[in-house]
Amino acid sequence: NAGVTQTPKFQVLKTGQSMTLQCAQDMNHNSMYWYRQDPGMGLRLIYYSASEGTTDKGEVPNGYNVSRLNKREFSLRLESAAPSQTSVYFCASSDQRRRAGDIQYFGAGTRLSVL
Amino acid sequence: DQQVKQNSPSLSVQEGRISILNCDYTNSMFDYFLWYKKYPAEGPTFLISISSIKDKNEDGRFTVFLNKSAKHLSLHIVPSQPGDSAVYFCAAPFLGGGSQGNLIFGKGTKLSVKP
Repeated sequence: NAGVTQTPKFQVLKTGQSMTLQCAQDMNHNSMYWYRQDPGMGLRLIYYSASEGTTDKGEVPNGYNVSRLNKREFSLRLESAAPSQTSVYFCASSDQRRRAGDIQYFGAGTRLSVL
Repeated sequence: DQQVKQNSPSLSVQEGRISILNCDYTNSMFDYFLWYKKYPAEGPTFLISISSIKDKNEDGRFTVFLNKSAKHLSLHIVPSQPGDSAVYFCAAPFLGGGSQGNLIFGKGTKLSVKP
């Protein structure tokens, strides 16, 4: 009963390094999301994928790219990490069978520090 | 304008008493609201929701009240327990074509329930 699995759980990068955050869900959900959470800022949407094969920008997409590899997997890539990208990153998925009130299910998060 | 606002960053309550967490929103077209609960080092988990056609929804110790004229909702926890200590986020589905299922989150309220 894994739900949404994120890897890695922790990562430290140097400025300019690249990395990919992995996310997989086993609930056969159509939609997947990437958020970042910063102190006092709540959850802000980076990118989302409404269905396999589609991706769209959210509120704070700059500095990130995403890939919806298949229905299960949605990865987030930082091409050249910056200290401003130090944050906790959450992946989520939802069934989206109905428009209103879609419950999103979240992974445990990836805590990223960029030095 | 689509915003969900939680103006109280923190709340401290004695065990057994009522906890009331508040949320305001800016757009009267929001048709659904959700509350999420988040423990440290874990992802947010869905707690309870309410449709805009209702003014109350109850689930065990948790009740959400919606006041549409005031654009205000509140989450009541009765009685509060130490295990309820967490950050609570209020959220609403984003209004806009092509972004179905996206949620707008408030900044969260940290609840501390003291034994």
